[in-house]
Amino acid sequence: QSVVTQPPSASGTPGQRVTISCSGHRSNVGSNTVNWYQLLPGTAPQLLIYSNNQRPSGVPDRFSGSKSGTSASLAISGLQSEDEAEYYCEAWDDSVNGPVFGGGTKLTVL
Amino acid sequence: QVRLQESGPGLVKPSQTLSLTCTVSGGSISSGGYYWNWIRQHPGKGPEWIGYIHHNGNTWHNPSLKGRLLISIDTSKSQFSLRLSSVTAADTAVYYCARITEAGTHSYYYYMDVWGRGTTVTVSS
Repeated sequence: QSVVTQPPSASGTPGQRVTISCSGHRSNVGSNTVNWYQLLPGTAPQLLIYSNNQRPSGVPDRFSGSKSGTSASLAISGLQSEDEAEYYCEAWDDSVNGPVFGGGTKLTVL
Repeated sequence: QVRLQESGPGLVKPSQTLSLTCTVSGGSISSGGYYWNWIRQHPGKGPEWIGYIHHNGNTWHNPSLKGRLLISIDTSKSQFSLRLSSVTAADTAVYYCARITEAGTHSYYYYMDVWGRGTTVTVSS
């Protein structure tokens, strides 16, 4: 079981706004910044959001992140079929002195 | 653009040692502010951080794997490597190498901005 908890699945129709939650502990999400990654089969994982709410260059502004306390969330607006993927949150954990990941959320675009 | 590529056997026998190498291209493995990582993902689970190495040779491992793990770096070849001993079926996973970038001034934060595509390793006789 992952140290950081995500819902196993989420879904939406094209154009909708979807949010994915990430719940951690004081040692990880509560104390450090949260990053989000997109995993597509057969491709390298892609950084979507870093430092809670920052987007790397090249990531569409449809993707946004937020954090409050020991919880964080990823929002995807204007959902597109290409957004169908697995999404993982990650934060540094002070007790491990390394990063810990959520269990992942599989997003389905209906 | 920095790229990472994992290489190594896809099949390892139980009790033997799993060895993987990550080759860094398009940038210097010796640049400051980066940590070179191994991460694995078991089927249906979230990724698990294995450990990292800095270009100066400092390493840190996930406590759950301590005792079986060795991460090394060869800056002359732009490569870093993973050796996991006494493997069992529980070590079957997709193994990724990734770069952690350290950022910030008064307060540091970290993120994995470059990943390899991953390589599947199966432990089976």
